Amino acid sequence: GAVVSQHPSRVICKSGTSVKIECRSLDFQATTMFWYRQFPKQSLMLMATSNEGSKATYEQGVEKDKFLINHASLTLSTLTVTSAHPEDSSFYICSAYKDGLNTEAFFGQGTRLTVV
Amino acid sequence: SQKIEQNSEALNIQEGKTATLTCNYTNYSPAYLQWYRQDPGRGPVFLLLIRENEKEKRKERLKVTFDTTLKQSLFHITASQPADSATYLCALAPPWMDSSYKLIFGSGTRLLVRP
Repeated sequence: GAVVSQHPSRVICKSGTSVKIECRSLDFQATTMFWYRQFPKQSLMLMATSNEGSKATYEQGVEKDKFLINHASLTLSTLTVTSAHPEDSSFYICSAYKDGLNTEAFFGQGTRLTVV
Repeated sequence: SQKIEQNSEALNIQEGKTATLTCNYTNYSPAYLQWYRQDPGRGPVFLLLIRENEKEKRKERLKVTFDTTLKQSLFHITASQPADSATYLCALAPPWMDSSYKLIFGSGTRLLVRP
């Protein structure tokens, strides 16, 4: 199957610093990628849709200045958590569709962010 | 808004038995419904997709049913194995053209298969 790679898998940062998470589609091009956040024992919540060459679309309640998304190429989207706080600690996961929207979604392995 | 309900309690079964997981939704019928497997600390892995006009889908030991009248999907794993132990997520796609790719996930049901 298609591969979506996320890096890093774990990161610990201090409050007030910024953290960048990368999401790459390794064997296909993705004009659209998706960023989710998952708290323990809860469902994945869509944060934003990342669009190659244009601005990301954020879901209601997600601060665009807090979670900066850049989709500079057809295989790479980045999520930067700016001025991180402990409440931003979570599991962040990206996904992409290889064969078009409305087919199976391929997810990255996730990034565990801990803000201390 | 759409709500998805999956059993929050873990499902504990004996190896070889059939596991049946439930996904109920409360509002509109989705364009399609997907099931994913998620292992601890990992991203979800796609298992099956079933569309609104389909009643049943099979893949090896997996079977999914979709009943739009009951607003329910059932996910079955036959001849379960300890390696099937994981959390299984149900995800719905809204029926609107401009949002159908925005999957809405349930919180998942944890399956434990005892050897």
